[in-house]
Amino acid sequence: QVQLLQSGSELKEPGASMKVSCKASGYTFNYYAINWVRQAPGRGLEWMGWINTRTGNPTFAQGFTGRFVFSLDTSVSTSYLQISSLKADDTAVYYCARGRPMVRGILSGFDYWGQGTLVTVSS
Amino acid sequence: QSVLTQPPSVSGAPGQRVTISCTGSSSNIGAGYDVHWYQQLPGTAPELLIYDNTNRPSGVPDRFSGSKSGTSVSLAISGLQADDEADYYCQSYDSSLSTYVFGTGTKVTVL
Repeated sequence: QVQLLQSGSELKEPGASMKVSCKASGYTFNYYAINWVRQAPGRGLEWMGWINTRTGNPTFAQGFTGRFVFSLDTSVSTSYLQISSLKADDTAVYYCARGRPMVRGILSGFDYWGQGTLVTVSS
Repeated sequence: QSVLTQPPSVSGAPGQRVTISCTGSSSNIGAGYDVHWYQQLPGTAPELLIYDNTNRPSGVPDRFSGSKSGTSVSLAISGLQADDEADYYCQSYDSSLSTYVFGTGTKVTVL
């Protein structure tokens, strides 16, 4: 069965960096895009961007450029989210989600989600 | 702030039918981009409930249904059950922002 397994919770100080992993299983990794979604405490879902698992090309939403990096290790079917220069505002649960196949160049929803990784930024 | 607007909350008694609206604009829903719905139970990750406006993934009960008309879409839950209490989000693509966007979210309460 399809699964996305994310790494565990992180507690970081402001200014530090962090890296969340998302390991896929149960399907051919490079057939589907991996998306990243943020959910701040008590808030809604916010799409951060996606990475093409065939080419490694990332696309970032507005507001998620500069400090954010998406990467892959296709040998272990894993995608990574890195955030540098962490701020208190980065405190959130971060989800990876598999993109359904594109229709007319647009992902047709997100069909499998990781369990989420809580990142807390506090001194 | 999201470009897709949902009511903050809806409620109903067990067995009743509730609907959740998702209103967009000419750069997203009105432009013909498909809408998808997610259910997020308390403390868990979202799950895909409806894709491409009206389709249910396997395993999703037919009590959940999606519809689309112009720039508005709706999710209906019939035969409301206690374990339907959750947050529900619509999602689409916005061409002027060039991003995927989520709705503001709706909390469903079973009375």
